[in-house]
Amino acid sequence: DIQMTQSPSSLSASVGDRVTITCRASQSITNYLNWYQQKPGKAPKLLIYAASSLQSGVPSRFSGSGSGTDFTLTISSLQPEDFATYYCQQSYSTPMYTFGQGTKLEIK
Amino acid sequence: EVQLVETGGGLIQPGGSLRLSCAASGFTVSTNYMSWVRQAPGKGLEWVSVIYSGGSTYYADSVKGRFTISRDNSKNTLYLQMNSLRAEDTAVYYCARDRGITIFGVVLYYMDVWGKGTTVTVSS
Repeated sequence: DIQMTQSPSSLSASVGDRVTITCRASQSITNYLNWYQQKPGKAPKLLIYAASSLQSGVPSRFSGSGSGTDFTLTISSLQPEDFATYYCQQSYSTPMYTFGQGTKLEIK
Repeated sequence: EVQLVETGGGLIQPGGSLRLSCAASGFTVSTNYMSWVRQAPGKGLEWVSVIYSGGSTYYADSVKGRFTISRDNSKNTLYLQMNSLRAEDTAVYYCARDRGITIFGVVLYYMDVWGKGTTVTVSS
């Protein structure tokens, strides 16, 4: 099974900050990496697919990069509505998807 | 509007059964891959099962042999039959649409539409 490890597990930041979240796969997954945002009590929301493609309707301050085993999600200038938990997910070993453990982004 | 609505959650005793439903609108369930994903209280996301447009089904090891995914094309609805429920099955269950994009001849999947979830609590 492919394991996905996110770092950090939690992060405190201020509005306007640039934030980077990292996701590492236990083996190469080329670019089969998606990112989701989840707010408390809500369903996950797709942000990025195929490592770097922005889902329609998602603000351009979100970006993704990486390939192979190492990936990053960057928020260029944090907005109040961005405080949430972020998950990476691999779809290389379809249909056995796996998610990272999540990164909780909190207000400093 | 593209939408998924889950129903059927509730409180059930260990060993019991429950069937979750996921009604779709704005698109056709049978022509898409459809997944169930769950989230235990305070925990992360766990993929549970998927049904392909061709009808093939797959399960996480944690539910294999106990859960069955299916769909009713006439109702445009996805189901998850859960048997032999355990305390560790307690979670919010989400259904999601899997979309595929072809890159250099290979298809990459992602979950682009999610329902709001339904809560399953397994407890005596």
